[in-house]
Amino acid sequence: DGGITQSPKYLFRKEGQNVTLSCEQNLNHDAMYWYRQDPGQGLRLIYYSQIVNDFQKGDIAEGYSVSREKKESFPLTVTSAQKNPTAFYLCASSQGVGTGDFFGPGTRLTVL
Amino acid sequence: KNQVEQSPQSLIILEGKNCTLQCNYTVSPFSNLRWYKQDTGRGPVSLTIMTFSENTKSNGRYTATLDADTKQSSLHITASQLSDSASYICVVSQRSNDYKLSFGAGTTVTVRA
Repeated sequence: DGGITQSPKYLFRKEGQNVTLSCEQNLNHDAMYWYRQDPGQGLRLIYYSQIVNDFQKGDIAEGYSVSREKKESFPLTVTSAQKNPTAFYLCASSQGVGTGDFFGPGTRLTVL
Repeated sequence: KNQVEQSPQSLIILEGKNCTLQCNYTVSPFSNLRWYKQDTGRGPVSLTIMTFSENTKSNGRYTATLDADTKQSSLHITASQLSDSASYICVVSQRSNDYKLSFGAGTTVTVRA
């Protein structure tokens, strides 16, 4: 999947728990993104980061947090404040704006 | 609001047949349009990316067209194979705001033997 790995592939969470989704890329890309995919809807941007130690909120950032301490890594934490976290989460990276995104294989999060 | 509308929502075709997927968008100012293929439970994979000046681009049996004047794009699949069964997503980026992509909901294609 283009040098981007996400783990775990499946994740189950109890209500009230925080969980962290991992995203690592070895493409030397500066920009990284987190998207959420729900059935019948287009992907929605949660957070993005264009350089290390900097990130910006996307359209649906509430209840999520990220960090970008290393160029290769962009973990996403789904907090208990996210009211409807069950979804398919996709991480992506790009060399620069407008150059096209490479997507990871995704993590399916289910809240029990 | 920038929107991307895809049609049909789903379609079923017989192996070996052709099909065409449609994408209409309202994103402005336009930067580029991309088509992705997403297998079930996997991440999307890029098929084509077209800028304003390009009106046709091919990737094997996949051919994308773009009419920037009418803000329409199509993806044509030739001689479909069982492995073409997937969701096809149209994505449009906005000039000077390229981190922000507008995604269509996708067209689910099922190829039957």
